[in-house]
Parts: sequence; structure tokens; C-alpha cells
Amino acid sequence: GAVVSQHPSRVICKSGTSVKIECRSLDFQATTMFWYRQFPKKSLMLMATSNEGSKATYEQGVEKDKFLINHASLTLSTLTVTSAHPEDSSFYICSALGLASNEQFFGPGTRLTVL
Amino acid sequence: AQTVTQSQPEMSVQEAETVTLSCTYDTSESDYYLFWYKQPPSRQMILVIRQEAYKQQNATENRFSVNFQKAAKSFSLKISDSQLGDAAMYFCAYMRSGSGTYKYIFGTGTRLKVLA
Repeated sequence: GAVVSQHPSRVICKSGTSVKIECRSLDFQATTMFWYRQFPKKSLMLMATSNEGSKATYEQGVEKDKFLINHASLTLSTLTVTSAHPEDSSFYICSALGLASNEQFFGPGTRLTVL
Repeated sequence: AQTVTQSQPEMSVQEAETVTLSCTYDTSESDYYLFWYKQPPSRQMILVIRQEAYKQQNATENRFSVNFQKAAKSFSLKISDSQLGDAAMYFCAYMRSGSGTYKYIFGTGTRLKVLA
């Protein structure tokens, strides 16, 4: 089946630093990837849609300058949390749209802790 | 705008028994996909079952089956012979077909506890 990886799985950083999270589709090419944020015991909140070779589409209320998304190849999308603050601490999940465009395949998630 | 509602924040089931998780949705589209995902403590999202709206037959995957009522916009998940490993958060999701956006709309989730 389609496999999506995320790296790192956990990251702890100091306030004010930037953190990059990678999302890779391992066995298929994904023109579209998605970035979600999940708070404890809550549902997934879509942050943005990442399209290969073009600018990401951000959901309302998500700061594009804060959460930089780059989808430079058909197998890699990155999310950079710039100038991270404690309120950015969360679980970030990526997904990739399958070839048939009728299902998303999810990565294992990244837990970000900002001190 | 489409919405997905899971009215049961938490459910419990005795091991080996059957439990049904409810999901309703609102859409004006005729063609779409519906999904049930399981999120165990590891937090990896695992696809349990999917249903294409144009198919009248309810999807089944081993112990998991759905009751898809298109007119009522209802998509419940039945878990038979519940096992301890079924304990997790379950999310219902909707995706419009051929939309060009392919975004999922998730429900708020139902936490399933399985009692030994």
C-alpha cells in the first residue's frame, strides 16, 4: 500500500527557533499533500494544501508566514514552523493524495514541543 | 459548506460484543467518498473502511461494516466481535469527488473503549 513518512517524529526546540518537518511519499508520487494540526483529544485541523510546483493553499486563520510550506518534488513536502513559540506546540500530521485522487494516506505525525 | 457530525464523544463495548458508531454529514453534492479512520494511541491514522456514494452496497472489511443511508446522510460504523485492539479514536471523514481540492472534512471523533 501507499506509505507516507514524516521526519522527525519528535522535536523539541527553544522559543524563537525554526523547525522543519518533512513529509515523504515513499512508493508513489503525490502532486498534492496536506498538513494538519491536532490538539490533544481533538480532531485533525487542516492547515494547508500543498501542491507540487506551486504555492500552498492555506486555510482561513493559518498564518502563511508562520507556517512555510514547500512542495519541491513529487515525493516531498516540508512544513517549516518559523520563530516557534510555546503555543505552536502540537502534533502535526501530513497526508498525501493517492494516485486515484480518492483517498489520502497519512504520515505517522510529528510531535513538536517548543520550550 | 459540508459538515460531518459525530454525536458520540465516547463509547464503550464489551470484548466480543458489537458496537455502532454514528456519523452524519451534510452536503449538496451527489458524488463523494466517506471514510472511517482509526487513530490508536500511536496517533497513526489508519483507514478502516471507505464508501463511494454512488455505490448502494454497504462496504465491509472483515469485522467492520458500514450502514450507508445516502438519503438520510448517515454513515455509521459497526464493529463486530470487538477486540481490545479496537480501542482508539475513530474519525468519520467526507471528501467530495472530483472537486479538485480533495480536502477531507473530519468529524470530531468518537473514543471507543473496549472492556475486557
